[in-house]
Amino acid sequence: EVQLVESGGGLVQPGGSLRLSCSASGIMFNIYAMHWVRQAPGKGLEYVSAISSNGRTTYYADSVKGRSTISRDNSKNTVYLEMSSLRVEDTAVYFCVCSEYGMFAFNIWGQGTMVTVSS
Amino acid sequence: EIVLTQSPGTLSLSPGERATLSCRASQSVTSDVAWYQQKLGQAPRLLISGASTRATGIPDRFSGSGSGTDFTLTISRLEPEDFAVYYCQQYGSSPITFGQGTRLEIK
Repeated sequence: EVQLVESGGGLVQPGGSLRLSCSASGIMFNIYAMHWVRQAPGKGLEYVSAISSNGRTTYYADSVKGRSTISRDNSKNTVYLEMSSLRVEDTAVYFCVCSEYGMFAFNIWGQGTMVTVSS
Repeated sequence: EIVLTQSPGTLSLSPGERATLSCRASQSVTSDVAWYQQKLGQAPRLLISGASTRATGIPDRFSGSGSGTDFTLTISRLEPEDFAVYYCQQYGSSPITFGQGTRLEIK
């Protein structure tokens, strides 16, 4: 069974840091780009970050650029999103996603991990 | 950045009826559009990619059409489990963007 499982979310104060992890199983992890999409409470979807299959190419949305680092460990089938200088507006469910089709239509989603930034 | 505008914001229909959801892009995205269904407390589920290709396991009552700037998701005969929020997404231009969603509710 294909599965993405996120962890690392929680309550953090403004200005704090967090590292999200996403562990993959049931897929050939090292051939797929991996992505993060977030959803603020009651809001729509926002594309946040991506990393190529070999980890050499990364992308960040303007909203998190300079405050986030995406990385991956193909030996552990895991992708990470480190976030710093967190803001109240970063509060969201963070989904780890990927596309088995080699495009950006995401057919595999994790269950999400909630990040709450609040004092 | 390409803005996707979905309409209507909320659609109230009864089971068995036909649903037509619209997604308009602020500039052409050729056919690089996907549609997702999201139920409360769940992750989105891919329905359609490439504007019209159903994802694996998606019932044929779901169909997508369009190209350029105007796209449509049609659900031919609504089943009770179809009532949810639907999002379109474009991946033809960076950054990837999503529409704001259409809520399909039971009338």
